[in-house]
Amino acid sequence: AQSVTQPDIHITVSEGASLELRCNYSYGATPYLFWYVQSPGQGLQLLLKYFSGDTLVQGIKGFEAEFKRSQSSFNLRKPSVHWSDAAEYFCAVGALDSWGKLQFGAGTQVVVTP
Amino acid sequence: DAGITQSPRYKITETGRQVTLMCHQTWSHSYMFWYRQDLGHGLRLIYYSAAADITDKGEVSDGYVVSRSKTENFPLTLESATRSQTSVYFCASMGAANTGELFFGEGSRLTVL
Repeated sequence: AQSVTQPDIHITVSEGASLELRCNYSYGATPYLFWYVQSPGQGLQLLLKYFSGDTLVQGIKGFEAEFKRSQSSFNLRKPSVHWSDAAEYFCAVGALDSWGKLQFGAGTQVVVTP
Repeated sequence: DAGITQSPRYKITETGRQVTLMCHQTWSHSYMFWYRQDLGHGLRLIYYSAAADITDKGEVSDGYVVSRSKTENFPLTLESATRSQTSVYFCASMGAANTGELFFGEGSRLTVL
């Protein structure tokens, strides 16, 4: 069965500092990996996705993520955080034959301090 | 550009009552989904639909019923609400099957007393 683990429930980062959110997955075949962001009181929005090819993927809002098969990881990064990046971030995994039926991690809450 | 809308946004009900959460999308997306969000669990899939009149169960479907008579609507019904169904419910849609990108509504917060 596929699963997703986000080890950090809560992260506090200073504005302008770098951010890295961890995501580990368990899946038998090639996973399709996603990062979604949820602003307070809102639904989720796709930041980026990895299907195949280049293991470093670029997303919206200046985010990027790197797929590392050997470590079963898909960590999200941003070089310089803005106050508007305060939100909850979800990693998700899907399969080729089950589009949209994603397995989500429990989420990481990001707080940005001045 | 309405996108995907959910109603009601907030609902309080009592144990044993029937509740229906509505979801409407204006993109004519084929795929639609219902997820519930609970602290510590992230989002869990309740039901999904690949097209009108085609639905299937997700991970946590017990106690829920869906229908999809029209492409744009995907209502979720709790036939006899229980306290464990207190949650935030998200409807989502997806266009082409191979994009993997879900578009989410703003959520419906349900409290069962």
